[in-house]
Amino acid sequence: GNSVTQMEGPVTLSEEAFLTINCTYTATGYPSLFWYVQYPGEGLQLLLKATKADDKGSNKGFEATYRKETTSFHLEKGSVQVSDSAVYFCAQSGGSYIPTFGRGTSLIVHP
Amino acid sequence: GAGVSQSPSNKVTEKGKDVELRCDPISGHTALYWYRQSLGQGLEFLIYFQGNSAPDKSGLPSDRFSAERTGGSVSTLTIQRTQQEDSAVYLCASSFRSGQLGTEAFFGQGTRLTVV
Repeated sequence: GNSVTQMEGPVTLSEEAFLTINCTYTATGYPSLFWYVQYPGEGLQLLLKATKADDKGSNKGFEATYRKETTSFHLEKGSVQVSDSAVYFCAQSGGSYIPTFGRGTSLIVHP
Repeated sequence: GAGVSQSPSNKVTEKGKDVELRCDPISGHTALYWYRQSLGQGLEFLIYFQGNSAPDKSGLPSDRFSAERTGGSVSTLTIQRTQQEDSAVYLCASSFRSGQLGTEAFFGQGTRLTVV
């Protein structure tokens, strides 16, 4: 079945460090891929998405590229800020129409 | 408001009691999802409604769990005879008709259920 695997956290970084959170998926067909973010005390919200191979989603300095050959959608940011501290969820939505989420990766950024 | 609204935000109940959790989706959204978020477990799919179609109940963990969606809008998730393992945050999300490329799900802030 469809699934999403993302790296376990927490990921702890200093401000201005480079961030990578790995995400891989299994799916039939060509799903849409998403990163959602959950800030402390808030609900999940969409961060970025990509709908076909080689598409790059980007928002707030974050980027992720849809890699069909490696079934991956890794999240990157060149310089993290304290305000980026949150839990990040990778997700896919394909033929079943029901979004499938990874377990979430907690990011902690220190000043 | 314009977002997905869930109530109550927190619920503490005694083991064995029934609870009802409510979700008001965004107006015009035909798809509605319930998920459960347990510590360290990510989001577990529970049930999916799409318009007037029969719901997809494949994620419900036991027959103590049920959900309905009245008039294609408000949804209620009911847990009967609650157990301590039911303690979690229950999330509701809605979207425009799912299945379209890149359809985004909009989430409520969740109901934190604690069974004591």
